Amino acid sequence: EVQLLESGGGLVQPGGSLRLSCAASGFTFRNYAMNWVRQAPGKGLEWVSIFFRDGSRTAYVDSVKGRFTISRDNSQNTLYLQMNSLRVEDTAIYYCARSLGGEAGEVFDYWGQGTLVTVSS
Amino acid sequence: DFVMTQSPDSLAVSLGERATINCKSSRSLLSSRNNKNYLTWYQQKPGQPPKLLIYWASTRESGVPDRFSGSGSGTDFTLTINSLQAEDVAVYYCQHYFDIPLTFGQGTRLEIK
Repeated sequence: EVQLLESGGGLVQPGGSLRLSCAASGFTFRNYAMNWVRQAPGKGLEWVSIFFRDGSRTAYVDSVKGRFTISRDNSQNTLYLQMNSLRVEDTAIYYCARSLGGEAGEVFDYWGQGTLVTVSS
Repeated sequence: DFVMTQSPDSLAVSLGERATINCKSSRSLLSSRNNKNYLTWYQQKPGQPPKLLIYWASTRESGVPDRFSGSGSGTDFTLTINSLQAEDVAVYYCQHYFDIPLTFGQGTRLEIK
């Protein structure tokens, strides 16, 4: 059974940093691209970042470029999101999501339960 | 970037009736390489993460009831839910996966009338 378990969320002041983790199990982690998707309270979904399966390529939504860094440890089956210079508008539930892969590419077939990040003074 | 616009923002449908949700892309999602539309639909129930329903605009994910169907091509797409059930109350999102950045529609809230 595929499982994605996020952790690392919490309350942080504007300008602060936080590191999210997503522990994956039930599938061969290294064979899949992995994503972070966020949802501000009461709002819609926003894709944040992807780490492609080829081992090195990453991409980000413009609003987090230069502040967030996605990484992965295939030996630990874990995806990370380092978030620096956090802003109030980064407040959201952050979901880890697996890309379906193959020709379907970035269709998110499995999601974690999410971890809440609150940026407030 | 692709802008995805859903309509309506919310709708209320009676049990057993049909619900129709529309999604419009600012640019065509039909690939000339494989003649497929890079459009997917998700369902999100309160307090839960999204769940994949449909991809390639009309391919149902395994385990999704056949009362859910997707249609459309190019820039205009539709999610249809036939014989609405109480458990279908949720927010529905479309998303393109044509290229990066991936973007979602704003969501459509479906309620029971």
